[in-house]
Amino acid sequence: KAGVTQTPRYLIKTRGQQVTLSCSPISGHRSVSWYQQTPGQGLQFLFEYFSETQRNKGNFPGRFSGRQFSNSRSEMNVSTLELGDSALYLCASSQTLYRDTGELFFGEGSRLTVL
Amino acid sequence: AQSVTQLDSQVPVFEEAPVELRCNYSSSVSVYLFWYVQYPNQGLQLLLKYLSGSTLVKGINGFEAEFNKSQTSFHLRKPSVHISDTAEYFCAVSDTGQTGANNLFFGTGTRLTVIP
Repeated sequence: KAGVTQTPRYLIKTRGQQVTLSCSPISGHRSVSWYQQTPGQGLQFLFEYFSETQRNKGNFPGRFSGRQFSNSRSEMNVSTLELGDSALYLCASSQTLYRDTGELFFGEGSRLTVL
Repeated sequence: AQSVTQLDSQVPVFEEAPVELRCNYSSSVSVYLFWYVQYPNQGLQLLLKYLSGSTLVKGINGFEAEFNKSQTSFHLRKPSVHISDTAEYFCAVSDTGQTGANNLFFGTGTRLTVIP
């Protein structure tokens, strides 16, 4: 069974540009969550999608957005990139929204560098 | 809202020695507790979780953790570490509600380095 796949693995952008990251969940998983990992702030929750609907959102500015498609694949977009957006962006999939019945399986992440 | 504190950012330990990684949480509601491990250039992998019942939880790779409600702690232990245990370890908490707000709050991580 294939794991969570994130693309691209590495990318470099400049300030002001926008970026789109993709996440393919484990087959059969309908929930996709996104996290930002930085050395200073650690792991911070961005948002969670289930059945194409955003179910939960973290405390990030509106420049961060996402969506989920009917096949459960998800994308996140960051517009008007800032230096502080440099981070490892992790995607996690789960069978359910609930953490007692739905273990999170993480991808290897997309490492974004903003110059 | 929940928060997680991992006081030790780095823990060096000799091979075959015991280790304890500390985790404290704050929450006004019942919680689920988790420990994840992250190897270099990889995503996070679940080590173990506490949902309810026995306060001593056993996980993969010989790790165990004990939930202490009075001290709001969930420390991770291993009696004898191996070189392959070198990694970053994250404690996380989630509320137990069924309203969809089950996102995980992570601690800042503890880097375990096993010295040969």
